[in-house]
Amino acid sequence: EDQVTQSPEALRLQEGESSSLNCSYTVSGLRGLFWYRQDPGKGPEFLFTLYSAGEEKEKERLKATLTKKESFLHITAPKPEDSATYLCAVQAGTASKLTFGTGTRLQVTL
Amino acid sequence: NAGVTQTPKFQVLKTGQSMTLQCAQDMNHEYMSWYRQDPGMGLRLIHYSVGAGITDQGEVPNGYNVSRSTTEDFPLRLLSAAPSQTSVYFCASSLGTGGSPLHFGNGTRLTVT
Repeated sequence: EDQVTQSPEALRLQEGESSSLNCSYTVSGLRGLFWYRQDPGKGPEFLFTLYSAGEEKEKERLKATLTKKESFLHITAPKPEDSATYLCAVQAGTASKLTFGTGTRLQVTL
Repeated sequence: NAGVTQTPKFQVLKTGQSMTLQCAQDMNHEYMSWYRQDPGMGLRLIHYSVGAGITDQGEVPNGYNVSRSTTEDFPLRLLSAAPSQTSVYFCASSLGTGGSPLHFGNGTRLTVT
């Protein structure tokens, strides 16, 4: 059974204070690891797909990395508008379905 | 480009009532799915479809029915609502090829009293 564990559950940062969110996974035959951002009252918004260990992707202040057991979402010099819940999900085997973690709620204050 | 559209946005039902949550996508995606999101539980897969006429069960299918008569639409039916079905429901679609991301609608918040 595919499993995804995210930590911490919640994170409070001051503007400009860089940090990382963790996503640990157990899956047979990883096809892709996905990061999403979810704002209150909205659906998850796709950020990145990582396909193999060692891969990295960046978008503005966000950088996602992948190893064989976990992924990190690094947030550099965050701003209040980066406040959201960040979700990690894995896709395995031949299926298109995703298995999600429970997310990290990020709050960035001035 | 509307993406994935869900209706209604909010719904209140009484126990035993039935209803259909609508989902439509305009991206010509083959794969469509329904998730429910509950506090502390994350997103859990209810049903999914890999193309018109093909549906299958996900992790939590009991109490829900689906059908896929067209590529664009994937409605979710609650035949006899129960308080345990109080949740936020998300429809999502993707190209269906390996590694393709899901695109989500903005959800339907359902309360069953």
